[in-house]
Order: sequence, then structure tokens, then C-alpha cells
Amino acid sequence: GIQVEQSPPDLILQEGANSTLRCNFSDSVNNLQWFHQNPWGQLINLFYIPSGTKQNGRLSATTVATERYSLLYISSSQTTDSGVYFCAVKGDSNYQLIWGAGTKLIIKP
Amino acid sequence: GAGVSQTPSNKVTEKGKYVELRCDPISGHTALYWYRQSLGQGPEFLIYFQGTGAADDSGLPNDRFFAVRPEGSVSTLKIQRTERGDSAVYLCASSPSGANTEAFFGQGTRLTVV
Repeated sequence: GIQVEQSPPDLILQEGANSTLRCNFSDSVNNLQWFHQNPWGQLINLFYIPSGTKQNGRLSATTVATERYSLLYISSSQTTDSGVYFCAVKGDSNYQLIWGAGTKLIIKP
Repeated sequence: GAGVSQTPSNKVTEKGKYVELRCDPISGHTALYWYRQSLGQGPEFLIYFQGTGAADDSGLPNDRFFAVRPEGSVSTLKIQRTERGDSAVYLCASSPSGANTEAFFGQGTRLTVV
């Protein structure tokens, strides 16, 4: 099955810093989503991005499907950005999302 | 409702008891998923419904776990003879259809088996 690797596993930054989170996947996908899991456990949709580039405020994402990776960019980090960021994908042969292990982001004031 | 709703938010039960967890998906979404998440890990797939039928139940860990979606909307995850290892957050998600559509998650039910 598809393997999903996220890096880095942990990231500690000062408020105002920028960051790039990476998601590598081992096979072609038809669905890729980025989520933010806040400290209360809620999974918040950030991007549905099987290919291309999208931006939403301080966040943007790029998926290069042919090279099997996706990047999530966070600019001007705020303490409320803290939490775990997950990348999840679906391939042609599965219905469920396959998850990476997540990147734990801590933004210090 | 506007989003996926799960009840209860928290459930504490004694080992050996039966529990039911409810998921109310986004209106009109035909696909519904159950996942569970243990501390420090990503969600783990349990079962997928397309309409009323379970299209893929390969993630259910054993026959103590069962899920239904009788009218193609609300789903109930049922766990018999609960064990301490069943303690986790159970997450429900829905999407407009199958593979190529965005999934939205509920806030989860935190199950604790004591």
C-alpha cells in the first residue's frame, strides 16, 4: 500500500517565523489533504490538494504529483498555529485516507 | 447541521460493557468513514460506508466492532465487551462521494474503558 512520510517530526519556532512542512508519498494519489489537529483534538481541513498550488491567508500548499510530494507553507506563525499537522492521501486502490505520522509544531510567543 | 456531529463527546465505560458511538454526517454526503486515533498517532481506518452499505470494513480490529448506517445518513459504531485497549478517540468523517472528494471530520468521541 501507499506509504506517507512527513518531515520534520517536530518543529519549534518563535512567533512570526515561517515554516515548510513536507509530505512524501510512495505511489500516485487521487486525493491529498492537509489537516491541522488542534490541542483539543479537532481535525481542521486546511487544503484539499491532489495537485497544484493553493493559498489561504498565511497558509499555502503545493503538490507535485509527478514527484510524489506536497509542501505546506506557514508564514508569520502565530501561537494558535501550534498543534499537529497531518498529510493524508488516497490512491486508486483504496477508499480510506492513508496518514502520515504528522509534524508537531510548537510556536513560542 | 453545518458539520459532522459526533455524540457523545466523551464516554467512560467499564471493561466488558457495550457502547454505541453516533455520527451525524454533513447533509447530502454519501460517503462516511470511521477512524480511531490513539495518543501521539495518526488516525487508523476502521470502516467505510457508501450509502447504506459497508463498502470496506477491513479496518475493524475484530468481531467485537460493528457499524451500521441503515438509512444512509446517521451511523452508529458499536463495540461489544469493551477492553482497555479500545480506549481511543473515535473519529467520523464524511465526504460528498468516494475517493476524489474532500473529507470532513467530526470532533471525535473520546472513549475510556476502565
